Amino acid sequence: NAGVTQTPKFRVLKTGQSMTLLCAQDMNHEYMYWYRQDPGMGLRLIHYSVGEGTTAKGEVPDGYNVSRLKKQNFLLGLESAAPSQTSVYFCASSYGWNQPQHFGDGTRLSIL
Amino acid sequence: AQSVTQLDSQVPVFEEAPVELRCNYSSSVSVYLFWYVQYPNQGLQLLLKYLSGSTLVKGINGFEAEFNKSQTSFHLRKPSVHISDTAEYFCAVRRTGGGADGLTFGKGTHLIIQP
Repeated sequence: NAGVTQTPKFRVLKTGQSMTLLCAQDMNHEYMYWYRQDPGMGLRLIHYSVGEGTTAKGEVPDGYNVSRLKKQNFLLGLESAAPSQTSVYFCASSYGWNQPQHFGDGTRLSIL
Repeated sequence: AQSVTQLDSQVPVFEEAPVELRCNYSSSVSVYLFWYVQYPNQGLQLLLKYLSGSTLVKGINGFEAEFNKSQTSFHLRKPSVHISDTAEYFCAVRRTGGGADGLTFGKGTHLIIQP
């Protein structure tokens, strides 16, 4: 079982560059989430999706966009990367809104 | 809105000793509670969850937690730790009402097992 797969695992960007992080899940989960993890901050929700074609803002959405064109994929985009977006990004999915979330292994992103 | 406080950022414990990792939460509505573990360079794995019913919840790897509504706490315990338990532990909550807004996490507790 692959579970939740995030690509890429590592990336270094220059300020102002754009990129897209991909999250794919093979568990037929309806709900998908993007979090960022910063030292001493725990995880904070960026955006989430309750199903194909839907997205919603989380706690820290500014500077990010998301899309859920297919049920199994949830994309996180940075249009113009900033050093403050240096972080570890985690994708998660769940079968239902009250079910435990399953996490990917993370993407380490550095913005120079 | 909910918030989670993990009172200790770091807990050093000797191998085979018991450990308790503390978690308190604040919420104006009922919540579900979770503990996740994160090993180095990995994602988060669910240790245990409290949704309803018995306030003592048993999870994987010998961990358990007790939900105390009056004290708004959900402390994690293990009677005897191993070196392999060295990891970051996160307490998380979400409201019980419908909706898919995500989990609210504490800042984490780094459990350090000393031989």
